[in-house]
Amino acid sequence: SQQGEEDPQALSIQEGENATMNCSYKTSINNLQWYRQNSGRGLVHLILIRSNEREKHSGRLRVTLDTSKKSSSLLITASRAADTASYFCATDPSGGSYIPTFGRGTSLIVHP
Amino acid sequence: NAGVTQTPKFQVLKTGQSMTLQCAQDMNHNSMYWYRQDPGMGLRLIYYSASEGTTDKGEVPNGYNVSRLNKREFSLRLESAAPSQTSVYFCASSAAGSPLHFGNGTRLTVT
Repeated sequence: SQQGEEDPQALSIQEGENATMNCSYKTSINNLQWYRQNSGRGLVHLILIRSNEREKHSGRLRVTLDTSKKSSSLLITASRAADTASYFCATDPSGGSYIPTFGRGTSLIVHP
Repeated sequence: NAGVTQTPKFQVLKTGQSMTLQCAQDMNHNSMYWYRQDPGMGLRLIYYSASEGTTDKGEVPNGYNVSRLNKREFSLRLESAAPSQTSVYFCASSAAGSPLHFGNGTRLTVT
């Protein structure tokens, strides 16, 4: 079963707008990771946020983590057509082997 | 700088045939993983290997076997392919607690 679940499943916006996607998970974690997948390609890591961190930035990406609500959000500011991709969260559950568990993903389309 | 290399990229099998998917990484990572990706299901873990010489089942191991040949290579074998195994297969590797590095996938169709 998926540990993380992204919401929404699909998101369609115009270039220049911000895109926000959310991830909820079920058990305690060591860290949470966000990945991007372009069509037909492997996943590429974007950001890792540890359980003792609340917010992290990387360029136009901002990730927040709320461990009390077991949720995370990924914000992409000033979206570009090149941001069109699927985005996945993955959690590293605490208390066991390092086995990242993925959600079903959010499909983002950015219209030029 | 190859990263994670998967072969083949595409494969069509008939029901009952066998095949091995190959994966190699050049980043000296201890951990390697095999996931399958189906529409609407995200990525599901088939098997993983935390270190050379060890392998463990993931969420969906039935119908598959794996071999961690050495630190670089982790292969996935389908002994008797079934249409339900039609999927895209991804190999990944990582250092402990660090993000995964993925290959570009093998697209398998079983008819």
